[in-house]
Amino acid sequence: GENVEQHPSTLSVQEGDSAVIKCTYSDSASNYFPWYKQELGKRPQLIIDIRSNVGEKKDQRIAVTLNKTAKHFSLHITETQPEDSAVYFCAASRDYGGSQGNLIFGKGTKLSVKP
Amino acid sequence: DVKVTQSSRYLVKRTGEKVFLECVQDMDHENMFWYRQDPGLGLRLIYFSYDVKMKEKGDIPEGYSVSREKKERFSLILESASTNQTSMYLCASSPLGPYEQYFGPGTRLTVT
Repeated sequence: GENVEQHPSTLSVQEGDSAVIKCTYSDSASNYFPWYKQELGKRPQLIIDIRSNVGEKKDQRIAVTLNKTAKHFSLHITETQPEDSAVYFCAASRDYGGSQGNLIFGKGTKLSVKP
Repeated sequence: DVKVTQSSRYLVKRTGEKVFLECVQDMDHENMFWYRQDPGLGLRLIYFSYDVKMKEKGDIPEGYSVSREKKERFSLILESASTNQTSMYLCASSPLGPYEQYFGPGTRLTVT
């Protein structure tokens, strides 16, 4: 079945450094790739997303790149700050049971930014 | 702002009890989802619905059922709770898409 693999599972960086989280997906029909941030004790919230007709998207310190041929996409956070510490989930859309909008999630990356 | 609410933040139930978790969204979204979140396993889809009275099994439906009688409300039912269903349960909604899914605050269920 469809699968999304996410690496690394934990990532520790110094404040001001960059952080990169990578995901690969298996379903060639996937066309929507969101990234969610979940702070401790809170709900996951979308931070950036990309569709398959775009190779890269940026929003201030956050960027996502997509390589459809290789079926992988990555989250890049520059100039990390302590408030970036959270668990990050990647996801990919999938056709499932007639629904439009089904997502399959990676297992998450716990990012720790040390002051 | 989209608002997704869940009936309880914390719930403690005994083995064998029937458990109802409710989710309500106020944005007229067609899609609604129930996920289970466990450490190291990410978000796993239990059931979803893309229309009133429509329901589809997700990746881990065993031991669960759902009900969607109104567009804004999606209920998850544990027919006979077991200790291995102790987990965080997250509800989400989205327009027909794929588009961003909006999550509720979660219900931490403990089955003893």
